Amino acid sequence: KNQVEQSPQSLIILEGKNCTLQCNYTVSPFSNLRWYKQDTGRGPVSLTIMTFSENTKSNGRYTATLDADTKQSSLHITASQLSDSASYICVVSPNTGNQFYFGTGTSLTVIP
Amino acid sequence: NAGVTQTPKFRILKIGQSMTLQCAQDMNHNYMYWYRQDPGMGLKLIYYSVGAGITDKGEVPNGYNVSRSTTEDFPLRLELAAPSQTSVYFCASSYSIGFNQPQHFGDGTRLSIL
Repeated sequence: KNQVEQSPQSLIILEGKNCTLQCNYTVSPFSNLRWYKQDTGRGPVSLTIMTFSENTKSNGRYTATLDADTKQSSLHITASQLSDSASYICVVSPNTGNQFYFGTGTSLTVIP
Repeated sequence: NAGVTQTPKFRILKIGQSMTLQCAQDMNHNYMYWYRQDPGMGLKLIYYSVGAGITDKGEVPNGYNVSRSTTEDFPLRLELAAPSQTSVYFCASSYSIGFNQPQHFGDGTRLSIL
């Protein structure tokens, strides 16, 4: 069964600290993995998209890694800011059919 | 840039009523999608379209209908609203389903069925 699991479910960190969010998937055959940021009351916004051949991709203070062999991805946030408080969603697509498998997200709260 | 625009933002319906959720995009994207997001759950695909005149079912299509008469618009129709359809509905679009194409989401319609 194609699934995407994220951990932790929620996380609270101090402003300025780093954090890492995890995504494990069973989707096969794999096409790409996306990380989205969803602010409260808003739609998801794309942070990174990674294909099978990519190990690391950065977008400012956000760095995503992908290990296609172990089917794991992580999103590392450096020097967190209050505006990083949001839900972070991992989405995996197979290379067959028009489908996206969404994780339930990690809720990140950055406190001063 | 307007991007993806959804209307209305909020709506309360009575059981058995019907309504249409509107979605419009101004990016000339071929692909459009409707998702629902329930508390504590990942987004679920309701319907999608790969171009004007072409629609297909997603994972949870029951109780919904769609049409795609133009590239820009992709309305979602609820017939005979049921409490189980209480959710946040997101419309999204992308240039293609290609492996490096992001989906652009609207800000959602929050729908309650009472």
